[in-house]
Amino acid sequence: QSALTQPASVSGSPGQSISISCTGTSRDVGGYKLVSWYQQHPGKAPKLIIFEDIRRPSGVSNRFSGSKSGNTASLAISGLQAEDEADYYCCSPAGDSTSVFGGGTKLTVL
Amino acid sequence: EMQLVQSGAELKKSGESLKISCKASGYKFVDYWIGWVRQMPGKGLEWMGVIYPGDSDTKYSPSFQGQVTISADKASSTAYLQWSSLKASDTAIYFCAKIRDYGGNGHNYYFYGMDVWGQGTTISVSS
Repeated sequence: QSALTQPASVSGSPGQSISISCTGTSRDVGGYKLVSWYQQHPGKAPKLIIFEDIRRPSGVSNRFSGSKSGNTASLAISGLQAEDEADYYCCSPAGDSTSVFGGGTKLTVL
Repeated sequence: EMQLVQSGAELKKSGESLKISCKASGYKFVDYWIGWVRQMPGKGLEWMGVIYPGDSDTKYSPSFQGQVTISADKASSTAYLQWSSLKASDTAIYFCAKIRDYGGNGHNYYFYGMDVWGQGTTISVSS
């Protein structure tokens, strides 16, 4: 059971859009419509921002959106704001009643 | 308001035992799986395992099977994570989180994301 693959870092300027990929296999990301995404600011607990590949919890900005194609899920953030600077993690079921996180992506707002 | 409140930071020595807690409020504790997540210093999130408080069904990631024990007490709406013999490599922040929903049956469940998180418990183990 290996961690899902995410880029270590991405960056963008305020107002721009960015995308973070999360690549797995048919046994995890590609096998379920259940990828979730989490935002974690330094020293804080993670926060759920996307679930079931594309759904947003109430209260989460519609600037955040999820998508998936095959074994790769993606998180897009539009209209970047300074407060979006954080670490982002994807997570997927991985069989045998387990789940697995991605390695995490550090988003820098320039 | 749904909330998970974890026990405080711990400073332990290698070989000691430890049990940390995660107290739930604002929802029906027995109806939702609770998971535990490890974050080692400067590193990413790792999925450790989950428990269904209704019947104490427990599932572990292969990396953590046999290394920790997850339990729950319905009477106090509290989940626990425990070690029988700590190692320096157990130094980390541990988060509990409520699973928003699940599917599957028997030997293969799948989980629909973690929607409520505890504040984290920092464990430091010295050798």
